[in-house]
Amino acid sequence: TQLLEQSPQFLSIQEGENLTVYCNSSSVFSSLQWYRQEPGEGPVLLVTVVTGGEVKKLKRLTFQFGDARKDSSLHITAAQPGDTGLYLCAGKNYKLSFGAGTTVTVRA
Amino acid sequence: GAGVSQTPSNKVTEKGKYVELRCDPISGHTALYWYRQSLGQGPEFLIYFQGTGAADDSGLPNDRFFAVRPEGSVSTLKIQRTERGDSAVYLCASSPQTSGGSGEQFFGPGTRLTVL
Repeated sequence: TQLLEQSPQFLSIQEGENLTVYCNSSSVFSSLQWYRQEPGEGPVLLVTVVTGGEVKKLKRLTFQFGDARKDSSLHITAAQPGDTGLYLCAGKNYKLSFGAGTTVTVRA
Repeated sequence: GAGVSQTPSNKVTEKGKYVELRCDPISGHTALYWYRQSLGQGPEFLIYFQGTGAADDSGLPNDRFFAVRPEGSVSTLKIQRTERGDSAVYLCASSPQTSGGSGEQFFGPGTRLTVL
């Protein structure tokens, strides 16, 4: 049973559109992380959020952490085909507890 | 520098056989983690090593699974009497942390295990 729920499970959009994926946790962790995973590779860390209400930006990616530190979102502006991948959120208390992921496909 | 490497990249075995999966962490990383990722799921924690000792093995599903890290570097995940349900991608990650769990985990590409 995974403690973190992600939605939607799948997302397919046209290049240039915006997208948002959500992560909701039943527990509070010391931090929450977002990863991107491509086929045949391990997850790669995108960002770590720690403080409730925190907003972090990484180029076209914006990450928000809810005030109660149980929910988070990842917003991608003007998506590109290179953004295609599996996006995973994970709660961290030394070990990582992952959600099931959101598969994002950006069509050219 | 070199990242985390895992061998083999793919392993096909028959039900009931024994398999070993190897992880070479980033040099100098004291913490090492094993995760298992089933199709359509996120990775699930199996075991965590700090140096040579298993600090947390609560994620190992049963006693058929065992992992070692005898010299505090390379780790081997061992699965006895494999079952079809063991089929998954086994991921290894290492971290430069010494304690407290704050270090970033760097993942290897995984070993895809298929049990026929």
